[in-house]
Amino acid sequence: QSVLTQPPSVSAAPGQKVTISCSGSRSNIGNNDVSWYQQLPGTAPKLLIFDNNQRPSGIPDRFSGSKSDTSATLGITGLQTGDEADYYCGTWDISLTTVVFGGGTKLTVL
Amino acid sequence: QVQLQESGPGLVKPSGTLSLTCAVSGGSISSDNWWTWVRQSPGKGLEWIGEIYHSGSTNYNPSLRSRVIISVDKSKNQFSLRLTSVTAADTAVYFCAKGQLGRFDYWGQGTLVTVSS
Repeated sequence: QSVLTQPPSVSAAPGQKVTISCSGSRSNIGNNDVSWYQQLPGTAPKLLIFDNNQRPSGIPDRFSGSKSDTSATLGITGLQTGDEADYYCGTWDISLTTVVFGGGTKLTVL
Repeated sequence: QVQLQESGPGLVKPSGTLSLTCAVSGGSISSDNWWTWVRQSPGKGLEWIGEIYHSGSTNYNPSLRSRVIISVDKSKNQFSLRLTSVTAADTAVYFCAKGQLGRFDYWGQGTLVTVSS
């Protein structure tokens, strides 16, 4: 059972928009910035979003992030088949004194 | 651009010690960054193991703290992971990464370590 809760799967058609939620608590999301990762099959996670809503250089603006209270959301617009991957949220938990991740969400682009 | 590469045995016997090294290139391990180990059990999510700063300061996942040591070798620009008393539950892909507090901007490709006799 992961400390951060994500839906196991989401799906949408090419060109559409999808959002992935990440629910936590005051000890993690409520007090720290959230990062989001994309993990294509057989590869290492790739940083998509940091500090809740910032994109590293090279990440297209189709990817966006937001945070409110103890939840965070990843948004992906203009879905492409290449976006099919597992997506993870992560942050620091001040009570557990460890980095915590969500259980991951599998995105299917139908 | 920073690159990280994990290396080490792919098979460890139960009750043995898992030892991995992460070689850093394209940047200095003595820069103002934390260096991290994350693992992923087959078909599962990500688990943070711990981190180290070039000064030698470390932070560990409390669930693994009694079995983990992360060290740094500045002369070789690399850092290492030792996990003792391993069991089948420690079978995972082990990643090294650069970053802290959940924000990891560069990752190694990962290396699968299987615990089996």
